[in-house]
Amino acid sequence: QVQLVQSGSELKKPGASVKVSCKTSGYTFTNYAMNWMRQAPGQGLEWMGWINTNNGNPTYAQGFTGRFVFSLDTSVSTAYLQISSLKAEDTAVYYCTREDMVPSYWGQGTLVTVSS
Amino acid sequence: DIQMTQSPSSLSASVGDRVTITCRASQTISRYLNWYQQQPGKAPKLLIYAASGLQSGVPSRFSGSGSGTDFTLTINSLQPEDFATYYCQQSHSYPRTFGGGTKVEIK
Repeated sequence: QVQLVQSGSELKKPGASVKVSCKTSGYTFTNYAMNWMRQAPGQGLEWMGWINTNNGNPTYAQGFTGRFVFSLDTSVSTAYLQISSLKAEDTAVYYCTREDMVPSYWGQGTLVTVSS
Repeated sequence: DIQMTQSPSSLSASVGDRVTITCRASQTISRYLNWYQQQPGKAPKLLIYAASGLQSGVPSRFSGSGSGTDFTLTINSLQPEDFATYYCQQSHSYPRTFGGGTKVEIK
């Protein structure tokens, strides 16, 4: 069965970096693009962008350029989200989701907390 | 960017009630509209895709309708496990955008 399993919660200091992983199984990784979503505490869902798993080309939503990087390791069917120069306002749950006509596959979410 | 406006932002209802949530797109999105349910501390769960397609395993008391710019999620006979937050999302174009959410609370 299709699974997207994300890495565990992270506690980081302002200015640090974090890398969240999204390990997939149960399907051919390069057949579907991957989206990333953000949900700040008590807030709604934001689409951060997506990455083409065939060629690694990322597309970032407005507000997620510069410090946010999507990447892949196709050898292990895993997508990554790296955030640099972390700020308190980056505190959120981050989700990977498989791009699909029926978008039902989501990772379980990774809580990133930025605090001094 | 396509703006998605959901209403109401919250509602109180009783078990057995019929609940309707609306979602309006700032421009036409055909039927590229999905509905999600989110329980506290959990990832969103897809309920409805392509405006009216019932996701496998989702109870038939959930239904979706609409096309163009106006969409509706209806929950017939609200059950205790349905108290949650609901989001619409357009998949017509990038950036994918979500409505602000509707929190369904127990009256």
